[in-house]
Amino acid sequence: AQKITQTQPGMFVQEKEAVTLDCTYDTSDPSYGLFWYKQPSSGEMIFLIYQGSYDQQNATEGRYSLNFQKARKSANLVISASQLGDSAMYFCAMREAQGGSEKLVFGKGTKLTVNP
Amino acid sequence: ETGVTQSPTHLIKTRGQQVTLRCSSQSGHNTVSWYQQALGQGPQFIFQYYREEENGRGNFPPRFSGLQFPNYSSELNVNALELDDSALYLCASSLMRDNEQFFGPGTRLTVL
Repeated sequence: AQKITQTQPGMFVQEKEAVTLDCTYDTSDPSYGLFWYKQPSSGEMIFLIYQGSYDQQNATEGRYSLNFQKARKSANLVISASQLGDSAMYFCAMREAQGGSEKLVFGKGTKLTVNP
Repeated sequence: ETGVTQSPTHLIKTRGQQVTLRCSSQSGHNTVSWYQQALGQGPQFIFQYYREEENGRGNFPPRFSGLQFPNYSSELNVNALELDDSALYLCASSLMRDNEQFFGPGTRLTVL
């Protein structure tokens, strides 16, 4: 069963506008963590923001904020004041315990294009 | 603070060959995870090493193996390469049970 679902293969936004990238997840574990990563064409995964399942407030990091709706199992990324450099692939991921390890389970990603 | 580095950047191999990819973890990090990212997909967990021991493995065959060294750097070895092994291989380092995994730039492997 798919544990992270990103339903938007591609999104377009005008420079300086805000954009929301969707992510839903599935888990029966009461304790979990959700991440968003940015992947430019160079390939490196850049950490953006983290939300813990017990965090009372939505996470924010500069222009990035996470709209966490626990009951709906959604963790959408909001990018405010988009910049041309925000054009990239964006991946939602969930930390999952497996034996003694903790792995990240990724969605298929959303390609964001920021237009001038 | 030195970030995660990987070598080589690109690699071309033929089917049936063997390959070794290398990763140097971020200073102070004792855990290294390897991921395979096929074209158009999200990364898939291969395995994780903690203090030189494999402590978790994804759904990959035994021909994918690894090592972690006392300085916490790591190798990923793939034997009997198949065409489907063509992918971007990402290494991530962290402190065990820390919230954030720091990724390297990846090694792009092409199998012909």
